[in-house]
Order: sequence, then structure tokens, then C-alpha cells
Amino acid sequence: DSGVTQTPKHLITATGQRVTLRCSPRSGDLSVYWYQQSLDQGLQFLIQYYNGEERAKGNILERFSAQQFPDLHSELNLSSLELGDSALYFCASSVGDRETYGYTFGSGTRLTVV
Amino acid sequence: GESVGLHLPTLSVQEGDNSIINCAYSNSASDYFIWYKQESGKGPQFIIDIRSNMDKRQGQRVTVLLNKTVKHLSLQIAATQPGDSAVYFCAEGGSYIPTFGRGTSLIVHP
Repeated sequence: DSGVTQTPKHLITATGQRVTLRCSPRSGDLSVYWYQQSLDQGLQFLIQYYNGEERAKGNILERFSAQQFPDLHSELNLSSLELGDSALYFCASSVGDRETYGYTFGSGTRLTVV
Repeated sequence: GESVGLHLPTLSVQEGDNSIINCAYSNSASDYFIWYKQESGKGPQFIIDIRSNMDKRQGQRVTVLLNKTVKHLSLQIAATQPGDSAVYFCAEGGSYIPTFGRGTSLIVHP
């Protein structure tokens, strides 16, 4: 157990729908990072939050959004889903903002869009 | 932009052999590198890291070598076991959002 908790583990939904993925960082970590991993791509960085504030954006689509709550858990919202959004979504956490020492991943949410 | 890449997509070895997984990076300012292991259906798991002021770092059965001159690092796994079968990623970390290569799939044959 890495200490980073992601729910749900699996999610199957239809095109056009909206889903929310949840991540609880490791105790003491203030940063949460979201990554997308599809079969033909490596780990693609989506977005980072630090202590409730957005800190960095990667290749995140406009249909996707995220937030980090006062208790530091984070949610990734995916809307108007397309077949190509099917992927593994990971979150990771670290203590600091741009300090990625001790970067720990959760076990991921597998999203299948049908 | 800067990139992190892997030389080989798949590496097959016999159980008991030593494995070497290579990685090239292009950002000469990178000061920290991380190796992750990802087993099927799981999240990436930290294996070992190395800072740019070191050339070599050893863990349990794993060694990371860093050659800053040619911007190359490698992960050596001694006495490879079937449980080592996974995808291995190198990443540049430190003050950057870690950037991952596509990974090398290590297949260990009993």
C-alpha cells in the first residue's frame, strides 16, 4: 500500500457522460498530480495541485478539470467522454510543490468508455 | 522541449541473469532521476533514485548508473527473478514535474 488512495478502481461509462475520479494523497503530502496512461502513450501529466491551488498544467483537455479540497483530497472530473478517454488514470502525491522527491503513485482508476 | 526516452521497448532475460535497462535524457540541467517499476494493473512503484552529484547508487539487487557526459542512465537488476517482470520507467524529477519515458517491458523467462 503506497498510502495514496484512488477510487473507484474501475469505471465503465458511456460516451458523452461525466465521471469523477477521487484521490487521497499520502498523509503529510500537500501536492497531488494527475496522470493519464493509455495503451499507446506513456504516463502523460495532466495537472498538479498544491495545498488547494493549481500549480501546473500539462496535456489536460478542456473537457477535464480538477480540484483539491481543504482536506487535500483531489477530484478529477472528466466530461463529454469519448472512446479515446479510455485509459488508466493515476494520481501521485509529494510533500512539496515542485519538489518531486518521494513521489508516490496510487493504484489507479481504469476508465472504460463504451 | 526536453525529453526522456528509453532505448529498448522490450527486454527478455532468463531467470538468474542480470538485466540492464537504459535511458537517455536531454535536459543537462536535470539534477535528479528516478526509476519506477509498474506491474500489470498497478501504479508505478518507486525503485531507486539518484542525484546528479552521484555516478552510481545501489539498492537491494538494483544499481543505477548515471553518465552525465552522455546524458544516460541505466538500471541494473542482479539475478533477475520472475517477479521482476514489469515495465520500467525512468523519469527526471527534482524541481520539475517528472517526465516519463514510454517504458521498457522486462520479461523474465523461468
